[in-house]
Amino acid sequence: DAMVIQNPRYQVTQFGKPVTLSCSQTLNHNVMYWYQQKSSQAPKLLFHYYDKDFNNEADTPDNFQSRRPNTSFCFLDIRSPGLGDAAMYLCATGGRDTQYFGPGTRLTVL
Amino acid sequence: AQSVAQPEDQVNVAEGNPLTVKCTYSVSGNPYLFWYVQYPNRGLQFLLKYITGDNLVKGSYGFEAEFNKSQTSFHLKKPSALVSDSALYFCAVRPGYSSASKIIFGSGTRLSIRP
Repeated sequence: DAMVIQNPRYQVTQFGKPVTLSCSQTLNHNVMYWYQQKSSQAPKLLFHYYDKDFNNEADTPDNFQSRRPNTSFCFLDIRSPGLGDAAMYLCATGGRDTQYFGPGTRLTVL
Repeated sequence: AQSVAQPEDQVNVAEGNPLTVKCTYSVSGNPYLFWYVQYPNRGLQFLLKYITGDNLVKGSYGFEAEFNKSQTSFHLKKPSALVSDSALYFCAVRPGYSSASKIIFGSGTRLSIRP
C-alpha cells in the first residue's frame, strides 16, 4: 500500500500560471518534506514541516510556498512558475531514522 | 561542512558480477546513513540504513552496505548484479547531532548492468 501519495504525477503549466502540487501520507508522521530534483541530480530540500511548524530552507525562492492543513496532507504552491522551475517535485515523510518518498510530480513549464 | 560524496557518476557491471557503489561522508557526531534507489520518473525508494550495531547492513533486493567508521565510508554492494538493478543510487546521511530530520544527499551514481 502506498504510504506517500502525490498528485498529479505529471503537471503541465504555463509560464507564470500558479500551480499546486499535493501530497498525502498514511504513516501519521509529524514531519513532511518537499524536495526539488532536476535531471538526475540529488534532491534539493525546499522546506519541511514539523507538525505545523514550517521550516524554510534559506535558498528556497519566495515563489515557492507550502501549506499543511492537517497531519496527512501537504501542498506545494508555485506562485509564478518559471522555465527554471521545471523539475521533479518529491514529497517525503519520516523521522530521524528514515524518510519515505512519494512517486513524485514531474512539472513541465511551457 | 557536512557532506556526502559519491565519487563515481556511473558504474558499469556485467550481469552476475558483484557490484560496489561507493559513498564517503563528512559529518559530525555518529551519523545515520542511508541508501536510496531511483528508477526513471519515480520517487526515491529506501534500500537500507545504518543507525548503530553491526557494520554490515542488509537491505532490499539483495543489497547490503558496510559501515566503516575509520574510513567514513558506507559502500553499497551486491554479490550478483541483475539487469533490473540498473537505476540511479543515492547515498544520504543525517548528522547524529541534529535534532532535526534533514538529510544530506550525495550526487548520485548511475548503475548500469549489461546482460
